[in-house]
Amino acid sequence: DAGITQSPRHKVTETGTPVTLRCHQTENHRYMYWYRQDPGHGLRLIHYSYGVKDTDKGEVSDGYSVSRSKTEDFLLTLESATSSQTSVYFCATGDSYEQYFGPGTRLTVT
Amino acid sequence: AQSVSQHNHHVILSEAASLELGCNYSYGGTVNLFWYVQYPGQHLQLLLKYFSGDPLVKGIKGFEAEFIKSKFSFNLRKPSVQWSDTAEYFCAVNGNGGFKTIFGAGTRLFVKA
Repeated sequence: DAGITQSPRHKVTETGTPVTLRCHQTENHRYMYWYRQDPGHGLRLIHYSYGVKDTDKGEVSDGYSVSRSKTEDFLLTLESATSSQTSVYFCATGDSYEQYFGPGTRLTVT
Repeated sequence: AQSVSQHNHHVILSEAASLELGCNYSYGGTVNLFWYVQYPGQHLQLLLKYFSGDPLVKGIKGFEAEFIKSKFSFNLRKPSVQWSDTAEYFCAVNGNGGFKTIFGAGTRLFVKA
């Protein structure tokens, strides 16, 4: 597996607070992705990056922003967390069409 | 619209039974197809992939999948499942030179020992 770490691994936060999740890779992959996983929905793409400072929206981007200032780091920010954003968040990286996934972050918004 | 449909949400099998998980996709143009597996408490791992060539592809742990272009399908098969195959399986597609991948909703497989 690619060296992909996510932090934090678990977080509980209150509605209305900002939250930032971090994805770090050691594989020098060009592409990085943020997904959320919810029962019955599989994985849904939130945002992705195709290079430093190059990002684009996925299918469920509302309420989320991202930043990538270095090849190895991709940050996901929930600007004002809502209960509907309670989910498991996965980061993925890749240089080709296949992707390598991080261990996930379980976020609970109360 | 681009989409991936997995027919079964939950499958329960006994050890040594044969497995087939259905996957159909809606995606224009050239496609790349994947099956990923997520074991309990773990992250997703690539099981197998199809880019081009032989439509019957073999992956890890005895799994295989067949791409049938006319049916827009990429079904996953294993002749004899083991208890350790208990996991959630995701079909996924991307293509047309792009890297945005569409995932199916997943199929939870439980294998009884």
